Amino acid sequence: DQQVKQNSPSLSVQEGRISILNCDYTNSMFDYFLWYKKYPAEGPTFLISISSIKDKNEDGRFTVFLNKSAKHLSLHIVPSQPGDSAVYFCAAIRKGSQGNLIFGKGTKLSVKP
Amino acid sequence: GAVVSQHPSWVICKSGTSVKIECRSLDFQATTMFWYRQFPKQSLMLMATSNEGSKATYEQGVEKDKFLINHASLTLSTLTVTSAHPEDSSFYICSAFSTDRSYSNQPQHFGDGTRLSIL
Repeated sequence: DQQVKQNSPSLSVQEGRISILNCDYTNSMFDYFLWYKKYPAEGPTFLISISSIKDKNEDGRFTVFLNKSAKHLSLHIVPSQPGDSAVYFCAAIRKGSQGNLIFGKGTKLSVKP
Repeated sequence: GAVVSQHPSWVICKSGTSVKIECRSLDFQATTMFWYRQFPKQSLMLMATSNEGSKATYEQGVEKDKFLINHASLTLSTLTVTSAHPEDSSFYICSAFSTDRSYSNQPQHFGDGTRLSIL
C-alpha cells in the first residue's frame, strides 16, 4: 500500500517556466514532509521541507505547498533551469517515528533549454 | 552542513562473494542509520533501521541473514551483503538521523550510494 504517491512519473517543462511536482499521501499521522532531488547513481539531496502546521514554505526558487485537508503537497520551481533536471522524491515522516522517511516513487523532471 | 560518507561507491564482484558497505556520519553523531535499496526507475525502499548498539530492525521481506547490519558506533554503520547473487545487484543508499537542532529541517542525511553489481 503506497502511503506517499507521486502519480506523474515524468514532467517536461521549458526553461524559465514553472515546474509543479505533485504528491499525495494517505496517512493522516504524517506531520513532516520533504522533497529530495536525485541524480542517477547518487544519493538524494534535500531540497525543502514543511511541517504539517504550515501550508507554505519558500526557499529561493523552491516553494512547497501543503493542503492537509486534501492530503496533498506540491513543489513549485520557478524559474525552472536545465540544471533542475533530475528525479524528485516526495517523502513523509510519521509523528513519533525516529525519522523514518516514507518515499514516493519519484517524478523525473526534464527542463528543456 | 552534515555529511554522510558511504564507501565504496561502486562494487563489481563475483556471485557468492560477500560485500561490505560502510556508512559514516562525518560531523555529527547518528543514533539511527537507515539502509535503502533502489531498483532502476523505482523509489527508495527502506531495508532496515539501525540503532547504535542494538540489533537492526528489518522491513518486511528483507532477509536479515542476507543483509547483515552492524552499528557499532555513533558514526559508523555497515551493511554486509552475504553470498551475493546477481539479483542482489542494486543501488544501496544509507542515511543518518541526527537529533542535532542545527539540522532539524532535515532529519536524515544521505550518503551518495553504492552501486553493487554481481556477476
